[in-house]
Amino acid sequence: AQTVTQSQPEMSVQEAETVTLSCTYDTSESDYYLFWYKQPPSRQMILVIRQEAYKQQNATENRFSVNFQKAAKSFSLKISDSQLGDAAMYFCAYVSPNQGGKLIFGQGTELSVKP
Amino acid sequence: EAEVAQSPRYKITEKSQAVAFWCDPISGHATLYWYRQILGQGPELLVQFQDESVVDDSQLPKDRFSAERLKGVDSTLKIQPAELGDSAMYLCASSLLRGEDTGELFFGEGSRLTVL
Repeated sequence: AQTVTQSQPEMSVQEAETVTLSCTYDTSESDYYLFWYKQPPSRQMILVIRQEAYKQQNATENRFSVNFQKAAKSFSLKISDSQLGDAAMYFCAYVSPNQGGKLIFGQGTELSVKP
Repeated sequence: EAEVAQSPRYKITEKSQAVAFWCDPISGHATLYWYRQILGQGPELLVQFQDESVVDDSQLPKDRFSAERLKGVDSTLKIQPAELGDSAMYLCASSLLRGEDTGELFFGEGSRLTVL
């Protein structure tokens, strides 16, 4: 069975600084997708960034980028120029095309941003 | 901007009582998911619908939980009887794409259940 592990329950970053959130996963599939979702307090979860496993190039969305290491089954999220609004729970998630969109989530990392 | 609607936002109930949650996905979204999120953990899928059909309910405790999406639009998740361990956030999500595609999931704000 596929699993997703986030080993950092909490992280903290100074405003304007850079922070990296870690995620590892386990799968025997060769084709899959990885996501980072953000869940602000009392707000709905939103997609931050998505990576297709067949793409070697790391995905980037403005201040958010990933370091995708397929062989190591690692998928970290880097947030540059951190802003107060980045404070939230961040979830790493995995899905295989064979699973009809069923996302498997990690345990989450709570990010706090200090002014 | 279209959003996934859920109600109620908060529900407090006593154990052994019945509770129901409602979800209205984004218009046109074929796939609907119910996830349960226990405090401090990631969401876990309870049930997945494609249109009105159940695609995956392998993790749904069927002795007490039921879910339906009769017309392939909105959905209801019911718990009867509620147990203390059911206290959690119940998240609804929807996706435009069908079948094996892996489109983005859009989540509602969730329904937080507290069982006393």
